[in-house]
Amino acid sequence: DAKTTQPNSMESNEEEPVHLPCNHSTISGTDYIHWYRQLPSQGPEYVIHGLTSNVNNRMASLAIAEDRKSSTLILHRATLRDAAVYYCILRLSVMDSNYQLIWGAGTKLIIKP
Amino acid sequence: DTGVSQDPRHKITKRGQNVTFRCDPISEHNRLYWYRQTLGQGPEFLTYFQNEAQLEKSRLLSDRFSAERPKGSFSTLEIQRTEQGDSAMYLCASSQTETKAQYFGPGTRLLVL
Repeated sequence: DAKTTQPNSMESNEEEPVHLPCNHSTISGTDYIHWYRQLPSQGPEYVIHGLTSNVNNRMASLAIAEDRKSSTLILHRATLRDAAVYYCILRLSVMDSNYQLIWGAGTKLIIKP
Repeated sequence: DTGVSQDPRHKITKRGQNVTFRCDPISEHNRLYWYRQTLGQGPEFLTYFQNEAQLEKSRLLSDRFSAERPKGSFSTLEIQRTEQGDSAMYLCASSQTETKAQYFGPGTRLLVL
């Protein structure tokens, strides 16, 4: 199974940028990279996704390495409300399994005021 | 609010009892997913519907688990003869297509005594 590797936890200061790394060395050419986050006692929330090019939206930016074996989620200015578990996920191609998302344990992001 | 809703939010039951959970997806979404999440882990895929058709079931889904989505709208997940190992958060998600973001409900937390 294609899988991702993330640090268990990271700390950052409020109002500073945060770079959350993810390794996915077994990614195949058609697998998309998805990021979700989960705040305490809530269901996961979609953040961003991409295939090859860097992506930006109102929540974050996604930087994908040229060989696609790693990616970085960038929160440009972290707030206390960004404290959550961040999941880097591969969405498998249709040839594998109905676009199934394979979740790891995620990175717990701690924001210090 | 037109997000994904789940009912109940919490359920405590005794071992051996049957429980049923309900999920109401976002109205225009025809894909619906069920996941299970235990403490400190990412969500684990259980099953997936496209409209009323159940297209995939995880090998981890024992025959005590059954899911339905009559008329392609809301879905129910039933667990028969509950065991203590079934204690977990059960999450429902929906998406517009298989490649779009999944939107999650708040989850149903099950405790089997």
